[in-house]
Amino acid sequence: NAGVTQTPKFRVLKTGQSMTLLCAQDMNHEYMYWYRQDPGMGLRLIHYSVGEGTTAKGEVPDGYNVSRLKKQNFLLGLESAAPSQTSVYFCASSYGRYANTGELFFGEGSRLTVL
Amino acid sequence: AQSVTQLDSQVPVFEEAPVELRCNYSSSVSVYLFWYVQYPNQGLQLLLKYLSGSTLVKGINGFEAEFNKSQTSFHLRKPSVHISDTAEYFCAVTRGGGFQKLVFGTGTRLLVSP
Repeated sequence: NAGVTQTPKFRVLKTGQSMTLLCAQDMNHEYMYWYRQDPGMGLRLIHYSVGEGTTAKGEVPDGYNVSRLKKQNFLLGLESAAPSQTSVYFCASSYGRYANTGELFFGEGSRLTVL
Repeated sequence: AQSVTQLDSQVPVFEEAPVELRCNYSSSVSVYLFWYVQYPNQGLQLLLKYLSGSTLVKGINGFEAEFNKSQTSFHLRKPSVHISDTAEYFCAVTRGGGFQKLVFGTGTRLLVSP
């Protein structure tokens, strides 16, 4: 059971470099999310998607872009990385509107360091 | 808007002792409440949830939580902890009905020592 898979799991970037985190889910979930986790701040929502071809801003969207071209994939992009984006990034997915109770299924995280 | 407060950032406890992790939420409407657990170097997984019905909710690994509407609390309890319960625990809330974004607390690190 793959569930939610994130790649890569670790990455070190220099300031100004770009990169893309890939999230893939095999549960046919409608909704997908990108969170960042920082010490003492819990999880904060970056962007989310309620269906293929749609995306929306979360709590901390600045400096990130996302795309959901296929239902099973949700990409998070950093166009010009900054040290403040050093964090652990989590992708999650959930059922759609009529079955959604708020329960999320998480990937194992991607640790990003920006020097 | 909803918010969640976890007052304790860290709770040390000895093995086989009881533990309570506190969670208070603020919302003017009906809510769904969750506890998630994060073991070291892993993603979050659902421990238990309250959607409606009985206010005492039982989850995995012997944990339970009680929804108290008057005190707007959803404290997590376990009568006897194990070393393997060492992890970070997150309380989360969302409004009931349709799509609503889940709001997480800042987490409580449970440290179980022998």
